[in-house]
Amino acid sequence: DVKVTQSSRYLVKRTGEKVFLECVQDMDHENMFWYRQDPGLGLRLIYFSYDVKMKEKGDIPEGYSVSREKKERFSLILESASTNQTSMYLCASCGLVSYNEQFFGPGTRLTVL
Amino acid sequence: GENVEQHPSTLSVQEGDSAVIKCTYSDSASNYFPWYKQELGKGPQLIIDIRSNVGEKKDQRIAVTLNKTAKHFSLHITETQPEDSAVYFCAASWASGYSTLTFGKGTMLLVSP
Repeated sequence: DVKVTQSSRYLVKRTGEKVFLECVQDMDHENMFWYRQDPGLGLRLIYFSYDVKMKEKGDIPEGYSVSREKKERFSLILESASTNQTSMYLCASCGLVSYNEQFFGPGTRLTVL
Repeated sequence: GENVEQHPSTLSVQEGDSAVIKCTYSDSASNYFPWYKQELGKGPQLIIDIRSNVGEKKDQRIAVTLNKTAKHFSLHITETQPEDSAVYFCAASWASGYSTLTFGKGTMLLVSP
């Protein structure tokens, strides 16, 4: 059974802080994704990665960076958190095959004060 | 890029009624259309998907239909139950190991007993 875990369910940070959101998957999936979810806006892709040390920008990468040093771990970094980055962050993973299901973690609700 | 529109944004039905959620997509090259269900406090989970080489797919009480000419697809839930209450997301992509999903904005379904 695929499991995607995220380091925190809830996180409160101050404006200007550097924030790390961690995601780990246990199914040896090649692809990993970071989304943000806001009411009325659905799921928007921030960054994704096809392999270790590879990263691709999604639809809303501004203000974020990512790191994938190991296949099972994908980190989202907010270099200098701002209040407009208050949101639910969802990590997902899937295998490198066509028509593949994305498996999501439970999400991290980040509040930036 | 792909754009997915989803309607309605909220849907309230009585237990036992049917529910229909509709999505349209813009990129005629898209050939994979999954539906995800997100329960409160959890990440989205795939419930059904359809590929462009079929027009309809059923799985017990849920079904998805696809009209490639009109570029729209729909989720049908029959005999709704309170546990169907959740947020539902449609998505579209060109299915390959390196593709990403474009999600609709979501529909909150509330099934009243």
